[in-house]
Amino acid sequence: NAGVMQNPRHLVRRRGQEARLRCSPMKGHSHVYWYRQLPEEGLKFMVYLQKENIIDESGMPKERFSAEFPKEGPSILRIQQVVRGDSAAYFCASSPDFNQPQHFGDGTRLSIL
Amino acid sequence: GDSVTQMEGPVTLSEEAFLTINCTYTATGYPSLFWYVQYPGEGLQLLLKATKADDKGSNKGFEATYRKETTSFHLEKGSVQVSDSAVYFCANAGGTSYGKLTFGQGTILTVHP
Repeated sequence: NAGVMQNPRHLVRRRGQEARLRCSPMKGHSHVYWYRQLPEEGLKFMVYLQKENIIDESGMPKERFSAEFPKEGPSILRIQQVVRGDSAAYFCASSPDFNQPQHFGDGTRLSIL
Repeated sequence: GDSVTQMEGPVTLSEEAFLTINCTYTATGYPSLFWYVQYPGEGLQLLLKATKADDKGSNKGFEATYRKETTSFHLEKGSVQVSDSAVYFCANAGGTSYGKLTFGQGTILTVHP
């Protein structure tokens, strides 16, 4: 059973470009969570999605960031017009239900030039 | 809101030493509590969990007890190995968080031979 798959593992963008981060949850998991880890800090919750629905986006910046989890395909975290401060590791996690332990992917490390 | 506070690191120990990493939490309701471990360049792996007061989570020689009266979930291991070197995160879920995890800042553990 494959784990949570994130791609790309490393992404480099120039300021002003768009970044798209993908997450395929574990088989049978319909709950997806995105977290951001800034250098030398803990993980901060960004958004919680179920298929086709955003359940909680209280941790998402109000501007430039969006997330989706379509009926078919992976969950996407999209960052428009990236800035240097967006440089971080972005982790996706999935679970079969909201009260079950979350399983994490290996993350996407985003670097902004 | 929910929060998690971990003892500050880094922690450096010799092989076979006793390990304690302190963790305290605040939450509304009855959260589930977790310890996650992160090895360099990887995502988080669930180490152990406890879902109600007085539960003891254990795995790979690590253990932690859910103490409601002191709102704590300290991680312990009787004899650490070099391979235990990693970053350890305490987290809670539930209460007002509805599934999302709230993480502590992480504790870097280095074990020397």
